[in-house]
Amino acid sequence: GEQVEQRPPHLSVREGDSAVIICTYTDPNSYYFFWYKQEPGAGLQLLMKVFSSTEINEGQGFTVLLNKKDKQLSLNLTAAHPGDSAVYFCAVSAGNTGGLSGKLTFGEGTQVTVIS
Amino acid sequence: EAAVTQSPRNKVTVTGGNVTLSCRQTNSHNYMYWYRQDTGHGLRLIHYSYGAGNLQIGDVPDGYKATRTTQEDFFLLLELASPSQTSLYFCASSGDRASQNTLYFGAGTRLSVL
Repeated sequence: GEQVEQRPPHLSVREGDSAVIICTYTDPNSYYFFWYKQEPGAGLQLLMKVFSSTEINEGQGFTVLLNKKDKQLSLNLTAAHPGDSAVYFCAVSAGNTGGLSGKLTFGEGTQVTVIS
Repeated sequence: EAAVTQSPRNKVTVTGGNVTLSCRQTNSHNYMYWYRQDTGHGLRLIHYSYGAGNLQIGDVPDGYKATRTTQEDFFLLLELASPSQTSLYFCASSGDRASQNTLYFGAGTRLSVL
């Protein structure tokens, strides 16, 4: 089945600098990709959902890149600020082929700490 | 904004103890999920449900039971708790299957089994 490896597990970045988190997945049929953000003491919140058809997706203060050739999904935090300090999770699914649950496979998470 | 409420937020029990974790969502979502979060493993699916009275087995179901009593309420039961079940538990809901739709998470329940 699908396996997702997320690196690095911990990341310290100075305020204003950029940081990159990379997830490598194994199933070439993967179609839906998610980034979730978990702030201290809270549940996960959706940061961005991307589809296989779009390789570059931009949000407020971050960019998500999808490299289907290398089966990699990356989250690039641009100009990090203290509010970006959180744990980030990627999640991958193959869409309808995942059965009733639509199996979603999560990465292990990356703890990001923004240093002022 | 989807609302998912978990209780209790923290729970300590002893080995062999009986624990029930509760989850309520108020957004008329069909799907509800129980995950556990452990360092180095990300989130792993325990059980899920796509409606009242329905229960589906997830990826790590051993030692857990679950029950969906209403569309809003989903419970996770540990009838003979073991130290390996010490973890952070999250409930989530979605309008449709998780593979395509946003999951809305509760704030989590931290369970310690001594």
